[in-house]
Amino acid sequence: AQSVSQHNHHVILSEAASLELGCNYSYGGTVNLFWYVQYPGQHLQLLLKYFSGDPLVKGIKGFEAEFIKSKFSFNLRKPSVQWSDTAEYFCAVTPGGTDKLIFGTGTRLQVFP
Amino acid sequence: GAVVSQHPSWVICKSGTSVKIECRSLDFQATTMFWYRQFPKQSLMLMATSNEGSKATYEQGVEKDKFLINHASLTLSTLTVTSAHPEDSSFYICSARGGGRSYNEQFFGPGTRLTVL
Repeated sequence: AQSVSQHNHHVILSEAASLELGCNYSYGGTVNLFWYVQYPGQHLQLLLKYFSGDPLVKGIKGFEAEFIKSKFSFNLRKPSVQWSDTAEYFCAVTPGGTDKLIFGTGTRLQVFP
Repeated sequence: GAVVSQHPSWVICKSGTSVKIECRSLDFQATTMFWYRQFPKQSLMLMATSNEGSKATYEQGVEKDKFLINHASLTLSTLTVTSAHPEDSSFYICSARGGGRSYNEQFFGPGTRLTVL
């Protein structure tokens, strides 16, 4: 079945550590790609998005993601995490020709001071 | 800008009753609104897509007679859970999409937690 996979379910890091969260999708053709963050008790917020062009996308709060078409991946990275990055992170895909957001299962990130 | 609100934020009801959840786009006109359901420790699952002035399109497996969606204006969509049962208990989230440059981006509401006793 076509899907969006986030293999890291729970990540625990110390402040200043580097972060990489994996996201793979199984849809062919053109896709739009998103990373959303959900801070505790808050609603989903867009971190960054990729539609076309430069496959390295920079988002808010120092996050970036790289679209690797050959690997069907859109991994999220941050060189140095902060305690305030503690949140749930969701990768999402809009398959070509549709306007539906298909979400991954999410990754819970905990950052300790 | 691009704020989406939901009301109520949480609701507890008895089995068999109906519950209405509102989703409003506060500072933009939402041509399309989406309704999602999120179970504990799981991802968001799209339930239906609604376009202003037309019938909602439901995802496979979602009962349209149970989850009634109305998108009567460009700033308001409602989800009514009819004859709710305990298995309908969940976190319901709406999102809204406007036109123009933000056409490909959905803005999410804070969610409504429904508990059916």
